[in-house]
Amino acid sequence: QQQVKQSPQSLIVQKGGISIINCAYENTAFDYFPWYQQFPGKGPALLIAIRPDVSEKKEGRFTISFNKSAKQFSLHIMDSQPGDSATYFCAASGGGGSNYKLTFGKGTLLTVNP
Amino acid sequence: ETGVTQTPRHLVMGMTNKKSLKCEQHLGHNAMYWYKQSAKKPLELMFVYSLEERVENNSVPSRFSPECPNSSHLFLHLHTLQPEDSALYLCASSQVWSPNEQFFGPGTRLTVL
Repeated sequence: QQQVKQSPQSLIVQKGGISIINCAYENTAFDYFPWYQQFPGKGPALLIAIRPDVSEKKEGRFTISFNKSAKQFSLHIMDSQPGDSATYFCAASGGGGSNYKLTFGKGTLLTVNP
Repeated sequence: ETGVTQTPRHLVMGMTNKKSLKCEQHLGHNAMYWYKQSAKKPLELMFVYSLEERVENNSVPSRFSPECPNSSHLFLHLHTLQPEDSALYLCASSQVWSPNEQFFGPGTRLTVL
């Protein structure tokens, strides 16, 4: 079954701390791993994405770490800010021709306390 | 208007009503998607239109009927829904050649009484 398992379900971090959200997948044909950020009342917005040919990708305070052998990837938010408080979804796609089909995790509600 | 817009933002309907959700994208994309977002569940892909042709119908009940009259507009026609259909319905769009980079609208919060 194609699925992506995301943890934790919720996360509380102090301002300035590091937020870490983890995802694991089963389908080795997946070749694209995006993270989406969703604020209340808004749709998900693409935050950062990685392909399995690299082990890490960094954009500003956001970093994806990718472990192909373990079939895991994670989002790290450095120097977390209250404005980062949102729900974060990992996703995966690729393999078998259904490249438009993003398989999402259940989401992590991040709260960054001031 | 920019990005992907959806109307209405909120909708309450009875089980016997017929209503439609509208999505419009202003990004010049040529693929559009309907997703269902329920609490504590992954986003569920419902329908995909690529170049105005439906390419995916993800085992969605027939009480949901999509329509894509052109590459900028997407509708979801609803009839005889069930209370368990209450959810946030999200529209997204992308370029056909870059389906991984999907841009989402704000969604329609649907409540079925």
